[in-house]
Amino acid sequence: LAKTTQPISMDSYEGQEVNITCSHNNIATNDYITWYQQFPSQGPRFIIQGYKTKVTNEVASLFIPADRKSSTLSLPRVSLSDTAVYYCLVGDIGSGNKLVFGAGTILRVKS
Amino acid sequence: GAVVSQHPSRVICKSGTSVKIECRSLDFQATTMFWYRQFPKQSLMLMATSNEGSKATYEQGVEKDKFLINHASLTLSTLTVTSAHPEDSSFYICSALKTSGGDDTQYFGPGTRLTVL
Repeated sequence: LAKTTQPISMDSYEGQEVNITCSHNNIATNDYITWYQQFPSQGPRFIIQGYKTKVTNEVASLFIPADRKSSTLSLPRVSLSDTAVYYCLVGDIGSGNKLVFGAGTILRVKS
Repeated sequence: GAVVSQHPSRVICKSGTSVKIECRSLDFQATTMFWYRQFPKQSLMLMATSNEGSKATYEQGVEKDKFLINHASLTLSTLTVTSAHPEDSSFYICSALKTSGGDDTQYFGPGTRLTVL
């Protein structure tokens, strides 16, 4: 299972765009990248998933360079309610889709 | 959608009793579900992989006789904490794997807070 590295914490202000970068240097060919958001005492919430290039949905964008050794979650115009822990995970079908959670990134959005 | 529920949301029990936690995928079928445990201010730790119709696969260090997992249908997995002790107090979270055309995604339940007195 590929290990991921993220910043421990980030601070931002309301209305700003936030980019959280995750490195996964030993990502394998079949691995996909998934980001989750977790609030205290709640289960993680799926944000976005991708394999390569760029993926966009209604809440975020995911940028994956050609070598796939890193990925960047982009949150447009964050609000106070986006304060949470964000996890970057790498998993593949071959390993039974197991996800190994790292420490995640604590995002604090200030007014 | 992809909704996963857990029941109960919180439970308090006496030491030595057993507690069952249910995990249901509400709008999709899941051959595979996962059970995690999360202690305060820590990340999620994978406990086991639950496979419908077969035995669960436990991570190293997780006692299979203490944490019984049953995945009897494509929408339900249960975790039973047997002879619970205060050190088993934790936040237990399940996830269900939704497969669709090569894109496999885990969707998580809301979690169950277990407190053992």
